[in-house]
Amino acid sequence: GENVEQHPSTLSVQEGDSAVIKCTYSDSASNYFPWYKQELGKRPQLIIDIRSNVGEKKDQRIAVTLNKTAKHFSLHITETQPEDSAVYFCAASRTGANNLFFGTGTRLTVIP
Amino acid sequence: GAVVSQHPSRVICKSGTSVKIECRSLDFQATTMFWYRQFPKKSLMLMATSNEGSKATYEQGVEKDKFLINHASLTLSTLTVTSAHPEDSSFYICSASSGSKYEQYFGPGTRLTVT
Repeated sequence: GENVEQHPSTLSVQEGDSAVIKCTYSDSASNYFPWYKQELGKRPQLIIDIRSNVGEKKDQRIAVTLNKTAKHFSLHITETQPEDSAVYFCAASRTGANNLFFGTGTRLTVIP
Repeated sequence: GAVVSQHPSRVICKSGTSVKIECRSLDFQATTMFWYRQFPKKSLMLMATSNEGSKATYEQGVEKDKFLINHASLTLSTLTVTSAHPEDSSFYICSASSGSKYEQYFGPGTRLTVT
């Protein structure tokens, strides 16, 4: 089965700085890589996703890069704000939204 | 759009009793629903995948006789924790997908405490 590893487990940045979270996956057939944000006590919410046919996707301050050869993908948040503080999960799947395998999560703290 | 609800949000039960958790897609038809378990400060662990009208597919290590899943309609799936024990205490989250899109929509979760 798929094994997704995520680093770092915790990350603290100053407001305005950038944050980068990295994930690796094991199944070369995985073709869908979403990122979810989970605030304390709330449901995970999709913030950005990327499919294997592209190498990079950007949405305002958030971007995701994918290296299929190395089997890793990263989340980049620029100009961080305190409201970005949350736990972020990466995931991988070979069947679209089905059978998502989640990383272990990164607790991001943005210091005002 | 794409709202998923869960009920109850919190439940406390005694050891040996059974608890049912409902997951509903409110504004779309969920061909597939997923049940996850999340331990404090840990990741989401997929327990099972259910397609409407068919038996759920359980992940390795998840006891299907203990965690009964029913997906009788395109808008409702239920998870029943049978003969609950304190180690079953956890945060259970469902999600749903319509099949036509790549996104899974998560419910707000149910915190189960078994005393």
